[in-house]
Amino acid sequence: EVQLVESGGGLVQPGGSLRLSCAASGFTFSSYDMHWVRQATGKGLEWVSAIGTAGDTYYPGSVKGRFTISRENAKNSLYLQMNSLRAGDTAVYYCARDHGSGYIDYWGQGTLVTVSS
Amino acid sequence: EIVLTQSPATLSLSPGERATLSCRASQSVSSYLAWYQQKPGQAPRLLIYDASNRATGIPARFSGSGSGTDFTLTISSLEPEDFAVYYCQQRSNWPPAFAFGPGTKVDIK
Repeated sequence: EVQLVESGGGLVQPGGSLRLSCAASGFTFSSYDMHWVRQATGKGLEWVSAIGTAGDTYYPGSVKGRFTISRENAKNSLYLQMNSLRAGDTAVYYCARDHGSGYIDYWGQGTLVTVSS
Repeated sequence: EIVLTQSPATLSLSPGERATLSCRASQSVSSYLAWYQQKPGQAPRLLIYDASNRATGIPARFSGSGSGTDFTLTISSLEPEDFAVYYCQQRSNWPPAFAFGPGTKVDIK
């Protein structure tokens, strides 16, 4: 059974940093592209970043230069380093597996990040 | 940048009725479009990919159609568990871009 378990969320001050982790199990982690997607309370889904099996990374303009996605295949783990956090980054952050063709077929349950003073 | 719009924002229907949800892209995405369902407090679930292919385990009452810029998700007969928010997502220029639509809420009339 595919499982994705996020951790590392919490309360952080504006301008601060936070590192999210995602523990993957039930599939060959190294063979899949992975994503982070966020959702502010009561709002829609926003794609945050992705990393390919070769370590290639992708970001939307809203987080480029502030967020860094990485993976550690030996530990079946995905990470998101978030720097220079803003109030607008407050959201539930989901770790997600790419279906293999640019869609998401498995999602974690999410971890809440709150940016506030 | 391809922008997705969804209509209507809210669809109020009764169980057993047919639901028709629309997703429009600002430029052609070919057939590279997916639909997701999200219930309150839950992560999204992939329903349809490549415009018309049902994901594993998705009931046959869910169907997708369209290509280019106009897409439709149809739920042939609403079950109580189908009342949720539905998002479309395009991957035509993936990598590097990946985008969701704003969502359509299907609620009980």
